[in-house]
Amino acid sequence: DAGVIQSPRHEVTEMGQEVTLRCKPISGHNSLFWYRQTMMRGLELLIYFNNNVPIDDSGMPEDRFSAKMPNASFSTLKIQPSEPRDSAVYFCASSRQGWSTEAFFGQGTRLTVV
Amino acid sequence: QQQVKQSPQSLIVQKGGISIINCAYENTAFDYFPWYQQFPGKGPALLIAIRPDVSEKKEGRFTISFNKSAKQFSLHIMDSQPGDSATYFCAGIKGGGADGLTFGKGTHLIIQP
Repeated sequence: DAGVIQSPRHEVTEMGQEVTLRCKPISGHNSLFWYRQTMMRGLELLIYFNNNVPIDDSGMPEDRFSAKMPNASFSTLKIQPSEPRDSAVYFCASSRQGWSTEAFFGQGTRLTVV
Repeated sequence: QQQVKQSPQSLIVQKGGISIINCAYENTAFDYFPWYQQFPGKGPALLIAIRPDVSEKKEGRFTISFNKSAKQFSLHIMDSQPGDSATYFCAGIKGGGADGLTFGKGTHLIIQP
């Protein structure tokens, strides 16, 4: 298995633009998580899905952030409009449902908003 | 609210020495405590984990010590090697593994040869 695949690896965008981050979880995993990593705040859980259904989005910082999981093999995290303070590394992780202690992380998307 | 507090922020250890990273948690609903290891440019990867009904778990050179009454746990790396240089995160999780991870802020560990 190729592991969790995220794209793009790097994204540089201008303030106000829409940004879409993509994630393909490991086949057979039915829990998917989006995390954000910054120096100041560390790793923060933004949202997670079980069986494509959003379970907890309390970590989503603002209404500018939205996430979808249209099927078991694909998820997106969208920021519209983007702001410089959104600059961070965004990780997607997947696990078997009920086993998120063994979450497998992608390599992340480094987002820079200028 | 920082539910998992981790220290130190950074740590330098000589090769062959013992690296110790400490964590304290606030949420008594946590029922599993994993440690993740992250190398530059990579995502975190599970290293070792412990349940609160166990006081110690050892896997190779890595040991978790857990003190439920104090709500503290720690990672010990014995015979530390330069390849162990990475950022280490402790975490708590509740709901029997159904929820996401709540991470500490991480410890940047450098093992000097």
